[in-house]
This record gives sequence, C-alpha cells and structure tokens, in this order.
Amino acid sequence: NAGVMQNPRHLVRRRGQEARLRCSPMKGHSHVYWYRQLPEEGLKFMVYLQKENIIDESGMPKERFSAEFPKEGPSILRIQQVVRGDSAAYFCASSPFGGTLSNQPQHFGDGTRLSIL
Amino acid sequence: AQSVTQLDSQVPVFEEAPVELRCNYSSSVSVYLFWYVQYPNQGLQLLLKYLSGSTLVKGINGFEAEFNKSQTSFHLRKPSVHISDTAEYFCAVSAQGAQKLVFGQGTRLTINP
Repeated sequence: NAGVMQNPRHLVRRRGQEARLRCSPMKGHSHVYWYRQLPEEGLKFMVYLQKENIIDESGMPKERFSAEFPKEGPSILRIQQVVRGDSAAYFCASSPFGGTLSNQPQHFGDGTRLSIL
Repeated sequence: AQSVTQLDSQVPVFEEAPVELRCNYSSSVSVYLFWYVQYPNQGLQLLLKYLSGSTLVKGINGFEAEFNKSQTSFHLRKPSVHISDTAEYFCAVSAQGAQKLVFGQGTRLTINP
C-alpha cells in the first residue's frame, strides 16, 4: 500500500549546482502538489500539476524553479543554480482527481530535505 | 486570499493533561479547515477537517476541533495527551473550490512525563 514516494529523502548540493526532487504519487492519483517548508515555518504552496499540465504555479519563485509531471514517470521539481536560501524541506502531495479539497484530500509524502553548502 | 495564524509556536504539557492548540484564520470567502500532524522527519498526516455541518469535528487519535465562524477560529483539543502525541501540528485552510492549502506556522507540542 505505497503512499506518496519522494526521493531522495536528503539531498546536499553546493551553491550553483542543480537540484532535482522526485515525487511518485499514490497509485491512481493524477494530481500532484509541491509545498516548501522553510526552517521554523509552515508549508507554503508552490505548484499544482496534473499529468502534462501545470494548473497553478502561483507559489513558484519566478526564476530558477520549474516543475513537471510527465505522462510517464514521477513529478520533478527542479531548482537550478541553488543558493543557501533554497535549503528547506520540499513536500509533495497527491490526490486522485480534480475537484475541491472536500472530497479529494491531499496525501503527503515524507519530503526531501535539501541542504545547500 | 487566506491566512492562518497559530498563536503558540510551542506548547509543553504533562502526560495525561488536556491540551488546546489555537488557530485563527482570515478569508474573504468561505473556507474548509484542516489540522495536520507532522512527526519528526515525516510528511503530514491529516488529523481532521471541517467542511460543513456540525461545528465540532472529531478526528483520529482522540483529537477534536471546533469551528467558530464569528471568532474565525478552529482550535484543536485533546482531553488527555500521551507521549506519542509529541509532534508539530499545522492548521490549514483552503478556499472552497480551491485546490491549494494555506498553512499556519505550526505549533510544536511537547509532552513531558
């Protein structure tokens, strides 16, 4: 009974490198959400994707960040030219269909802890 | 837009004592309300949610919350806590019809023996 799978669990990068975070949604789920949790803060919405479509990216930084959810394979959150301020926990959630949160609760993965040296 | 304020960043209590974690929200539209729990190095687990109907909502692990529209609050309570309840608790809202959750800053609940 696999839940939302995120990998890697921990990722260390040096400033200027690229970070790729992967998220495999629960079986049967076709909607993916990415959230970022900065130290000592709550989660902040970044982006909402369906297969091959970005539905809402209102929480994504304008530069260096991108996300995709291809027809096959996991969703990828990509951060180019990482900086110290990108250090955070990145969480992925998934839900089965579209619709409101009332009938489509989001199931969260265990997150990727990104550390920038 | 919605916002959530969790009034206490840390709450220490003794085992078997009651606890209340406070949450206030603001929104210009109707909302759904949620409480999530995060154990160390894990993701978030849904404790309970308020969608409509009865303002007293019961969740897992003996937790309950009460929606108070006039005070725009959704406080979480448990009559008797256990060591295993030690975790971070997040209150969240979403506008009805929306997909994204807006989280509070979290409250760290520490249970002392």
